[in-house]
Order: sequence, then structure tokens, then C-alpha cells
Amino acid sequence: AQKITQTQPGMFVQEKEAVTLDCTYDTSDQSYGLFWYKQPSSGEMIFLIYQGSYDEQNATEGRYSLNFQKARKSANLVISASQLGDSAMYFCAMRLYRDDKIIFGKGTRLHILP
Amino acid sequence: ETGVTQTPRHLVMGMTNKKSLKCEQHLGHNAMYWYKQSAKKPLELMFVYSLEERVENNSVPSRFSPECPNSSHLFLHLHTLQPEDSALYLCASSQSLAGPGGDTQYFGPGTRLTVL
Repeated sequence: AQKITQTQPGMFVQEKEAVTLDCTYDTSDQSYGLFWYKQPSSGEMIFLIYQGSYDEQNATEGRYSLNFQKARKSANLVISASQLGDSAMYFCAMRLYRDDKIIFGKGTRLHILP
Repeated sequence: ETGVTQTPRHLVMGMTNKKSLKCEQHLGHNAMYWYKQSAKKPLELMFVYSLEERVENNSVPSRFSPECPNSSHLFLHLHTLQPEDSALYLCASSQSLAGPGGDTQYFGPGTRLTVL
């Protein structure tokens, strides 16, 4: 069964430190996309980064990078030099292109400490 | 106005009321989505529309009725809801329904619904 697992319900990180949010996925499909979204307390979901299953290089977007390890089926989000504004809920999601199914993880609540 | 907007932002309704949630996207996208986010569950996809046609209905109770009159607008009509339907309802849009990268979803701010 297709599934996204985020094992860290909550994390506390000191400002300016790097942080890694874990995400593992389960699918037997070969063609899929992996996404990370940030949800601040206001509720909206903000797209951060995308990784395609056939992309050989890890995706990067500014301070965000996705550590994609296909064999391990992991897609961890790395935030470098964390900022207070990074405090939010973070969701990992997977899109299966065979049937357009979208699956979200339960999320990780990140708290950045001053 | 840019991005994806949702109205109202907050809604309190009784179980016998009928109300509608509205979503509008200003991104020229072809696909739109309704999600439900409850406090203790993963984000749940409810409905997917592509080019105004419903392409996915994830076993959502009939008390939720979506409507997509055009590619820019999506409604969720609510009637005889239950208290357990209280949640954040998020709308999203994407350029297309599938295809690597092209289906990145952009979300609205959500409607916080409370059913009394």
C-alpha cells in the first residue's frame, strides 16, 4: 500500500542551525513525485520543493534541499541556517503518476528557538 | 489578486444549516482540489477537478457537494453536517493534473469550519 511516514511529530531546533525533517515513502510504482509543504499557523500550505522519481540530482530551492535516497525510499527535507519564521508544520507528500493519487504524511511540527 | 483565495476564512454553522465554501485561483491552472485537515489525521484529499470535470471523489459523504463552474472557481456546498466535520478545508490548484513538476499544488489559506 502506498504510504508516507513522517516519524517526527515535533522538533525543537536552535535558530541558525540546520535541521533535517524525515520522510519515508512506500510505493511499488516507478514514476512518482515527492513534495514538501510548509503550513504556518495561519493554515495555508506553502509549496517548498519537488523531487521527481527519475531526477538524479537532489532538488534544492534556496535554503531548502531534498535529500533523496531512492533505494531507501526516503526524501528528507533539509533546511539550512534555520530562522524563526521557519516555525511551522511541514508535510511530505507523494504523487503517483500512474493514477494521479496524492498522499500526505501526518506532518512534523518544527519549532525554531531564538 | 494573485494566488489561491478562499472565502470565508472562518465559518460556524449548525447541523441543519446549508452553507458554501468558495475557492478562486488566479494562476491560470487547470486542476483544482479540496482537502480536509482534521486535528489528528493526515491531510485528506476529498475531490479533484480537471478542466471542470470531477476526476476523483475519495469516498466523501454526500453531505459535501462540490461544484466547479469554470476552471477558476471551485465550491464546496455543505448541508446537514456533523460535529466531526469540523476541520480546516483547504483548496489547491495546479497547472495540470499529472506530469512531473507540472502538478505542483498551490494552496489557499483555508476555511476553518466549526459545526455545532
